[in-house]
Amino acid sequence: AQKVTQAQTEISVVEKEDVTLDCVYETRDTTYYLFWYKQPPSGELVFLIRRNSFDEQNEISGRYSWNFQKSTSSFNFTITASQVVDSAVYFCALSRMNTGFQKLVFGTGTRLLVSP
Amino acid sequence: GAGVSQSPSNKVTEKGKDVELRCDPISGHTALYWYRQSLGQGLEFLIYFQGNSAPDKSGLPSDRFSAERTGGSVSTLTIQRTQQEDSAVYLCASSLRADNSPLHFGNGTRLTVT
Repeated sequence: AQKVTQAQTEISVVEKEDVTLDCVYETRDTTYYLFWYKQPPSGELVFLIRRNSFDEQNEISGRYSWNFQKSTSSFNFTITASQVVDSAVYFCALSRMNTGFQKLVFGTGTRLLVSP
Repeated sequence: GAGVSQSPSNKVTEKGKDVELRCDPISGHTALYWYRQSLGQGLEFLIYFQGNSAPDKSGLPSDRFSAERTGGSVSTLTIQRTQQEDSAVYLCASSLRADNSPLHFGNGTRLTVT
């Protein structure tokens, strides 16, 4: 069975602070995808990143960076110099690679509150 | 361009009534998904369509739930004899291809069963 754990229910930071959202996953598959989605107050889930299990290279996109470590089954997300607009619920998700489609297993989400 | 459109945005219904939720995917997207977001269960997969067929409907909670897709486009999720535990936000997503393209989600339909 697949499982995603986001132990942090809610994080509050002040603008310009760096913040890391933790994600730990469980799967028996050797090939899989990992995702992060953002859900702002409007409710629409917004895709941020997908990584496959072959590629453990960290990725940086502007103020966002992701640290994928298979040894600890973690795929953590860091926001540098946080901004109020980053306030949202962030979901980590996992899917099998061999199904041919994206049947996502989501974590419970981490609510990030960035205050001015 | 237009994103995934879902209607209605809110639906309040009485226990035992049937409801239909509609999803208009992004034009040209072949894959369509329904997910459900509830306080108790979090975000969970319901069903996947490729074209008009549903290769995986394993997430539908009971036989009161059904979905169809017509013309490779619009999809309808129907819940018969609604129960209070059906209260949730029902999210639709589409992607250009099934396996390799990001999912684009709609804003969801918030269903409340009284």
